[in-house]
Amino acid sequence: DIVMTQSPDSLAVSLGERATINCKSSQSLLYSSNNKNYLAWYQQKPGQPPKLLIYWASTRESGVPDRFSGSGSGTDFTLTISSLQAEDVAVYYCQRYYGMPPFTFGPGTKVDIK
Amino acid sequence: EVQVLESGGGLVQVGGSLRLSCAASGFTFSSYGMSWVRQAPGKGLEWVSGINNSGGTTRYADSVKGRFTISRDNSKNTLYLQMNSLRAEDTAVYYCAKDLLTTWGSATDYWGQGTLVTVSS
Repeated sequence: DIVMTQSPDSLAVSLGERATINCKSSQSLLYSSNNKNYLAWYQQKPGQPPKLLIYWASTRESGVPDRFSGSGSGTDFTLTISSLQAEDVAVYYCQRYYGMPPFTFGPGTKVDIK
Repeated sequence: EVQVLESGGGLVQVGGSLRLSCAASGFTFSSYGMSWVRQAPGKGLEWVSGINNSGGTTRYADSVKGRFTISRDNSKNTLYLQMNSLRAEDTAVYYCAKDLLTTWGSATDYWGQGTLVTVSS
């Protein structure tokens, strides 16, 4: 199975500062026929279900603030929160949805306010 | 408004069975694949099973293969997860989630609030 890893496990960032989360896949998530990376990012706040933020590695879901951005290709991906707000405190997960299931999630990265 | 609402969770003994349901509304249910994702207490997300829009293609995580069965009734806009031979490690909140796209292999854009399954010995 494809293994998804994330780093760091947790980070604390000052309000208004940048937060960067990395996600790595053990196999490429780039599908050559359409040149798309099958990688999504989700945000989960305590007691709530996950919320889709980014898909195709860099496409922001409707309604998601533009301070959230996704980048990367192949096996290495990044979620960036350009200016951390208090409401961004959450756990963030990457997920691959390429090819055959299981559509594995990364272990999550907890983001807090410093 | 898109909504997915899980039900059927509860307390069951090891080796027992449970059937989860997910009632969907606000979208053309028969056009989208659906998934079940679970989260053990204090842990991360685990993809459990997925089904395509027609129900003709189903996939499972190795941890549940042979014990869980995903199905759907497009006439009732309902997704199911039949869980047999339950183990303590199946204890989790189970989320129903709608695929973002109508093609197989998609991120999930709407999630229910989840239903808690507790398997005790």
